[in-house]
Amino acid sequence: DAGVIQSPRHEVTEMGQEVTLRCKPISGHDYLFWYRQTMMRGLELLIYFNNNVPIDDSGMPEDRFSAKMPNASFSTLKIQPSEPRDSAVYFCASSTGQTLMNTEAFFGQGTRLTVV
Amino acid sequence: AQSVTQLGSHVSVSEGALVLLRCNYSSSVPPYLFWYVQYPNQGLQLLLKYTTGATLVKGINGFEAEFKKSETSFHLTKPSAHMSDAAEYFCAVSGGYKLSFGAGTTVTVRA
Repeated sequence: DAGVIQSPRHEVTEMGQEVTLRCKPISGHDYLFWYRQTMMRGLELLIYFNNNVPIDDSGMPEDRFSAKMPNASFSTLKIQPSEPRDSAVYFCASSTGQTLMNTEAFFGQGTRLTVV
Repeated sequence: AQSVTQLGSHVSVSEGALVLLRCNYSSSVPPYLFWYVQYPNQGLQLLLKYTTGATLVKGINGFEAEFKKSETSFHLTKPSAHMSDAAEYFCAVSGGYKLSFGAGTTVTVRA
């Protein structure tokens, strides 16, 4: 398996524009996580899905952020409108829930977002 | 709720010296603990994990960690540092299906 695939790897956009980050989880994994990494706040869980259904979105910072998982092999994280403080590295991770309380998450390489 | 605290945001060691990264956890249930490594411009990679059973856990690249319930600790060690160990290391705890990460410790290795 190619692992968790994220695109794009880098994104530079102007403030106010819509940004869409994409993730393809490992086949067979039924949990998908979106994390944000910044110098100030470290790694923060934004939202996670189980079987394509959002379970916990309490980490989503504002209504400008939305995430979808239309099928088991694809998820998006959208920011609209984007702001400079959204600049960060966004990671997608996936795992299998077969081993309850024993989660090993596999991470993608991340998308480095810069909002100017 | 589960959380971890990593002591020391930066650690500098000489090549061949012991690497010791400290992690303390807080958990209301038996914890599942992890160490991840992040190389520059890369995603996180699992080094090792503790679930149940043996409290001394061996991972990849010569790293190991010991779960000490009495001290609520899960410190990561490597007997002899290599230049390739320069990276950021994250301790994490699982309280279900999601991981809560520490702030990370950056390791630099001096030649």
